Formats: sequence, structure tokens, C-alpha cells
Amino acid sequence: EEQLLESGGGLVQPGGSLRLSCAASGFTLSNYAMSWVRQAPGMGLEWVASIFSGGNTFYLDSGRGRFAISRDNSQNTLYLQMNSLRAEDTAVYYCAQIGSGTFKFDYWGQGALVTVSS
Amino acid sequence: QTVVTQEPSFSVSPGGTVTITCGLSSGSVTTTYYPSWYQQTPGQAPRTLIYSTIIRSSGVPDRFSGSILGNKAALTITGAQADDECDYYCVLYMGTGTWVFGGGTKLTVL
Repeated sequence: EEQLLESGGGLVQPGGSLRLSCAASGFTLSNYAMSWVRQAPGMGLEWVASIFSGGNTFYLDSGRGRFAISRDNSQNTLYLQMNSLRAEDTAVYYCAQIGSGTFKFDYWGQGALVTVSS
Repeated sequence: QTVVTQEPSFSVSPGGTVTITCGLSSGSVTTTYYPSWYQQTPGQAPRTLIYSTIIRSSGVPDRFSGSILGNKAALTITGAQADDECDYYCVLYMGTGTWVFGGGTKLTVL
């Protein structure tokens, strides 16, 4: 059974950095495109970043240059390095597996809360 | 900047039918955007309902269906039940390695 488990969320000051992890089990992470999707409190879902199986990465405009998505194939883990954090980055961050050839968010983690506040 | 539009809210009677749409601020939604639909209850991760416009995910009841209606993607719930009351999101794949979610639709069943 495919499972995703996020960790690394927490409280960080504006301008600070945080790295989220997403441990995958039940499938080989490097065989799939993976994404991070976030949800600010009381708001809707927002796609943040993706990494494809070939290694190409893509970002939401507001995250480009500040966020970096990567994976460690040996650990079967996805990461999101977030730098220069802003109050508007406060959200629950979900990692999700992208279905092959379907571009759907197939499996979701339970989410990690990131709060950017002084 | 691409904006994906959804009705902010809908109300449906138990047993009734409701159609939620997913449009583009500029242009038409077609199957090439691989529209997919997600259901989310408070405090939970989203659940995939429909993908590639019309395909139901495993375990999703057949009262949920997807389609293209005019220039929009659509999610239709036929025979709404009380536990269908939650938020629904569509998302479009922009073909450039990026996705854009709609703003979500809050469905009330009463």
C-alpha cells in the first residue's frame, strides 16, 4: 500500500528556512513525479512544486528562487527546502504522488503545518 | 496569470443532483488539461474522485461523474447524500510541469 508521511513542519520567523520531508513507502519514489501542494488556513489548495522522474523541477511563481524540491532515492524520501519564508507561506503542506500519464494527485500525505510568524 | 474558476458554494437537497464546474479565466477547458477532482473534509487530506476528465478513482461511488460541459470541466453528483457535504476542488495540468487548482466549492446538503 502506497503511503506518504510528511515531517519537518513547525514555527519559523519571517526570513527563516525550513526543510520538509516526505517519506514514501509501498512504491519507489523515483519512478513517479511528485508534488508539494499547500493549503493556507481556511483557504483552498495551491500547487507549489513538482519533480518528475527524470529530475526536472517546476515551481509556483511565488516560490521560484526560494523553494527547492528534491528527492533522495536511497531514502525514498522527497524534500522541500523553503528559504526566505514569508507570512503568506503559512499553510499545511501536503506531498502527493502524481499518477503516471494521468497528471492526477494520486496519493496524499497527511500534511505538515508550517507557520511563519514572529 | 492563469485562474481556474469554480462556484464558491452550492446547495443541494438530499437525493438531488448538482453539477460543479471548472473553468479558465481565458480559454476553454479541454481533455488536454487532464482535469481532476478532489473531495476534502475538514482537517483531512484531499481524496481523488475523478481524473483524466471522466475516470473515477478506485472506490469512488458511481454517483460521482466527470465530463466536459461546454468550455468547462464538470463534476456531477447524482443522488447527493449527507456525507457529500464538504469541499470540492478541481485542478488542471497546464502542460508545462505545473498545475493550477480552482478556488474550491463548498457543497451543502440540506
